[in-house]
Amino acid sequence: DGGITQSPKYLFRKEGQNVTLSCEQNLNHDAMYWYRQDPGQGLRLIYYSQIVNDFQKGDIAEGYSVSREKKESFPLTVTSAQKNPTAFYLCASSPLRYRGVSGDTQYFGPGTRLTVL
Amino acid sequence: DAKTTQPPSMDCAEGRAANLPCNHSTISGNEYVYWYRQIHSQGPQYIIHGLKNNETNEMASLIITEDRKSSTLILPHATLRDTAVYYCIVRVGGNQGGKLIFGQGTELSVKP
Repeated sequence: DGGITQSPKYLFRKEGQNVTLSCEQNLNHDAMYWYRQDPGQGLRLIYYSQIVNDFQKGDIAEGYSVSREKKESFPLTVTSAQKNPTAFYLCASSPLRYRGVSGDTQYFGPGTRLTVL
Repeated sequence: DAKTTQPPSMDCAEGRAANLPCNHSTISGNEYVYWYRQIHSQGPQYIIHGLKNNETNEMASLIITEDRKSSTLILPHATLRDTAVYYCIVRVGGNQGGKLIFGQGTELSVKP
């Protein structure tokens, strides 16, 4: 099946520890994204990448880091510098389209729920 | 901030059509209307999108007014599994690499 996988589904970490969330896609999409969702709120963009070995900060990048060494993988590291890391983390991917062509639809993975103890 | 306005909640009887409205009065000519839904504790699911014309797929229909200032998502025969938060989003298409701005959405409850 083609799709986006995120692991693990639930993750617990102790305060002060770094943790890495996995995101893999086999859709051959060029662009990948990381969002964060807090209870009762919309999604906020953390980082995104349009091509291998390149990525850009989103609205709330502080305390997070990413890498894009392979087209199909975009892991997110939540560092100890992130003040409120407990949240639902969502990874998405999309094909790239030229401006004006039908929109570059983003498809989401199932999410990872991170809880800091 | 989200560029769309949706009612916070709606109810629908199982088997009936669910019509979810969305206002986007400041939409630009190159912005598409997207609909996603999110079932509790799952990732958002893409439903449909459109620019000017009405669109239909296996999940839903999207009706966009001629002035493009509002749209309606139609689930023709709602089931209990359609209970979710539905998000209407406008964004520029193409190679923008940009974020999706999710507003508060409409919480649809399908009742037996």
